[in-house]
Amino acid sequence: DGGITQSPKYLFRKEGQNVTLSCEQNLNHDAMYWYRQDPGQGLRLIYYSQIVNDFQKGDIAEGYSVSREKKESFPLTVTSAQKNPTAFYLCASSPQEDTQYFGPGTRLTVL
Amino acid sequence: GENVEQHPSTLSVQEGDSAVIKCTYSDSASNYFPWYKQELGKRPQLIIDIRSNVGEKKDQRIAVTLNKTAKHFSLHITETQPEDSAVYFCAANIYNQGGKLIFGQGTELSVKP
Repeated sequence: DGGITQSPKYLFRKEGQNVTLSCEQNLNHDAMYWYRQDPGQGLRLIYYSQIVNDFQKGDIAEGYSVSREKKESFPLTVTSAQKNPTAFYLCASSPQEDTQYFGPGTRLTVL
Repeated sequence: GENVEQHPSTLSVQEGDSAVIKCTYSDSASNYFPWYKQELGKRPQLIIDIRSNVGEKKDQRIAVTLNKTAKHFSLHITETQPEDSAVYFCAANIYNQGGKLIFGQGTELSVKP
């Protein structure tokens, strides 16, 4: 998992602002995933992508958007439509249909 | 929809005792079951996984058992140490959905010296 990076580590958002979280991997993995984790909760899937230029909604996609223009990169935008965005965001990648490895996470706080 | 139930939500043991965490899954076609350990503020890290073609897998003090008929799997940690204290998550894949995993709610394990 050292080959998966997320930035920034901490992010503060004002009401009505869109923010973009970065996720990059140099493991040559086909699939990438975004999860949201709330305090004391499990991981909930936001979006995932199995191949470049294609992605699917997860269980809680409303208020979020993604792109997959390059194999190495899968940025997540938290839009103003997401009413309760304060959470810990985790990106993961995997060889197709295999073990997922996580990045270090981004902690987003709404001011 | 598909789900994974994990129990207990909290577990406290004395150093040297064993700890067992249990998970039940709903998708009978699931064939991959990883376990992750997450320390406070850190990323989840894979500690062991099992595929449906075996019933048990061991790695030093950690073992996982799988009962496909009953659709449940368990994590066993023997000779627990304070550094085993963390939140543990089980997961099961959703067959033919591109590696998608459904996670349990987590178990907070506390190992008291």
